[in-house]
Amino acid sequence: KQEVTQIPAALSVPEGENLVLNCSFTDSAIYNLQWFRQDPGKGLTSLLLIQSSQREQTSGRLNASLDKSSGRSTLYIAASQPGDSATYLCAAGGSNYQLIWGAGTKLIIKP
Amino acid sequence: EAGVAQSPRYKIIEKRQSVAFWCNPISGHATLYWYQQILGQGPKLLIQFQNNGVVDDSQLPKDRFSAERLKGVDSTLKIQPAKLEDSAVYLCASAPGGATNQETQYFGPGTRLLVL
Repeated sequence: KQEVTQIPAALSVPEGENLVLNCSFTDSAIYNLQWFRQDPGKGLTSLLLIQSSQREQTSGRLNASLDKSSGRSTLYIAASQPGDSATYLCAAGGSNYQLIWGAGTKLIIKP
Repeated sequence: EAGVAQSPRYKIIEKRQSVAFWCNPISGHATLYWYQQILGQGPKLLIQFQNNGVVDDSQLPKDRFSAERLKGVDSTLKIQPAKLEDSAVYLCASAPGGATNQETQYFGPGTRLLVL
């Protein structure tokens, strides 16, 4: 049974710093690994989707990597801004288009 | 393109009462999901529809929860009777549901339920 873990549960950094969020999964037989952002009172927004055959994906200041053999993915945020404050969740994509979710990392960027 | 719509946004009920949530997915999306997200946790899949058929409802507490997707478009999720532990955000998501697993899901804003 797939399990997804995100550590730390919360992270606070000064504005402008580069940071890395971690995601680990137990079953390497995934179709994809996705990163989402959740703002308070709102639904989830997809940030990046890495296919199982890929090693990384980039969008603006965000870069996500995938290492299936070690069961790990990281989300790198460059030059963090207060607007990046949110909860970031990773999800492992399995069969039947289903996602297994981590509990998220709550990120606070201090001005 | 309009996003996934959900209503109501908030609901407060007493235990043992009934409640229903509504979801309108993105037009043309074949796959629809209902999730339960308890505070501090990731979403938990309750039920997945492909068009108007159920793909997976293994984690749906069928003694109190029910869901339907009429005509393969809108969907409703009902809880009857509600328990205190049902307090959570109920998220609806949709996806194109094509012949690939390389697609993301699009989420509505959720319905926040508080059971007193």
